[in-house]
Formats: sequence, C-alpha cells, structure tokens
Amino acid sequence: DGGITQSPKYLFRKEGQNVTLSCEQNLNHDAMYWYRQDPGQGLRLIYYSQIVNDFQKGDIAEGYSVSREKKESFPLTVTSAQKNPTAFYLCASRPRDRGEVDQPQHFGDGTRLSIL
Amino acid sequence: AQKVTQAQTEISVVEKEDVTLDCVYETRDTTYYLFWYKQPPSGELVFLIRRNSFDEQNEISGRYSWNFQKSTSSFNFTITASQVVDSAVYFCALSRGGSQGNLIFGKGTKLSVKP
Repeated sequence: DGGITQSPKYLFRKEGQNVTLSCEQNLNHDAMYWYRQDPGQGLRLIYYSQIVNDFQKGDIAEGYSVSREKKESFPLTVTSAQKNPTAFYLCASRPRDRGEVDQPQHFGDGTRLSIL
Repeated sequence: AQKVTQAQTEISVVEKEDVTLDCVYETRDTTYYLFWYKQPPSGELVFLIRRNSFDEQNEISGRYSWNFQKSTSSFNFTITASQVVDSAVYFCALSRGGSQGNLIFGKGTKLSVKP
C-alpha cells in the first residue's frame, strides 16, 4: 500500500544531542513537508521541499535542518540549538500541481519527541 | 495576514447528536483553498475535504456536510448523528498565497462523542 512512513514512533533526546526523524513516502509525490504540533496548537510548518535537492524554511525553521537527496525521503534533524524540541512531528507529502492546484497533503503517523 | 480561527477548543456531545465545528479564515487572496482534516487519537491527519474559493456550493458526504460562506469568511463542518468513532481533533486549514502547497492551520477543535 502507498503511504508515508515516519520512524521512530517515539524518540528521546538528551541535552546537547542531535536527533534525526525519518520520513519516507512511496506515493511518488514531489513535495514534502515537516510540521510541528504542540498540545492544543495547530500545525506549524518547519521546512518544505518541492523537488529533490531543494528545500525552503517554513515558519519555525530555527534549530532544525533537512535534506532531500531522494524523492522518497525527507529526514528532519532536530539540533541541539532547538531549545524546546518536545513536540509531535508530522511529515506530509503531496503531488505536484498539474492542472489541478493545491491538492491535499497526505500525512504520516508522526514521531513524538521528548527530552530526557 | 492570513489566519484560520477555530474558536471552539473542545466540544462534547452525546452519540446521535448533530454537531457543527466552526472555522473562520482571513486572507487577501482572491483564489485560495480551504481544507478540513481529522486527527484521531492515533495521530495521523486524515484529509476530509478541499474547497476552492470560487465554489460556494455546500457539500454532503454521508453524515458529513460543509457550509462555505465567502461573505462571512467561514467554512463550517457539520456531523449529523454523531458516533463515538467521530471523536478526534478536527483542523481547518487555508492555502497560503502564491501557494507551494503550504497550509495555515487553525488550532483545532477536539470533539468528544460519548455513548
């Protein structure tokens, strides 16, 4: 079945440590997104990528980094510079707009990151 | 500035009641899209509907219906005869201008349906 796989489901980070969240999709989608969700809050955009080897900062990119070396993969690294990383992280993807614009994003199951 | 407001933080109803989730948006764009997503306790967001700014027809899908009113910048979502399985957080979202598919989300409404 086609879909988006995020791993791990739960992740713990020690102070000063970088951690990487995985996001893989087999939907052949061009665009991929990372969101952060805090309790009682909506989703806030961290980074997005429209095409391989290119990505842009979203609203809250500080303390995060990404790469897009393959169409299927868009890993997110939470660096030690992110002082409040505890949150639920969601990855999404969508097809390129061809005629029909603003097609909906499809989401993974999320990764819950906590500080030890 | 673009913004989505879901004023209802939490709603609790008894099974079989009808419930309406409100969504008010702000945008200066003439062309935009509005979305509703459902987030069950498992965490993933499930796409429910997309509506473009030129289509003000209401839509019905089973027990779900959506009322889009451009005059009041609202895109409300009604569940008829609610069921326990409808319990989830529901998000309304707006496409950004010059969109590259980026969305602005409201803070969500947590719906609890009790048996």
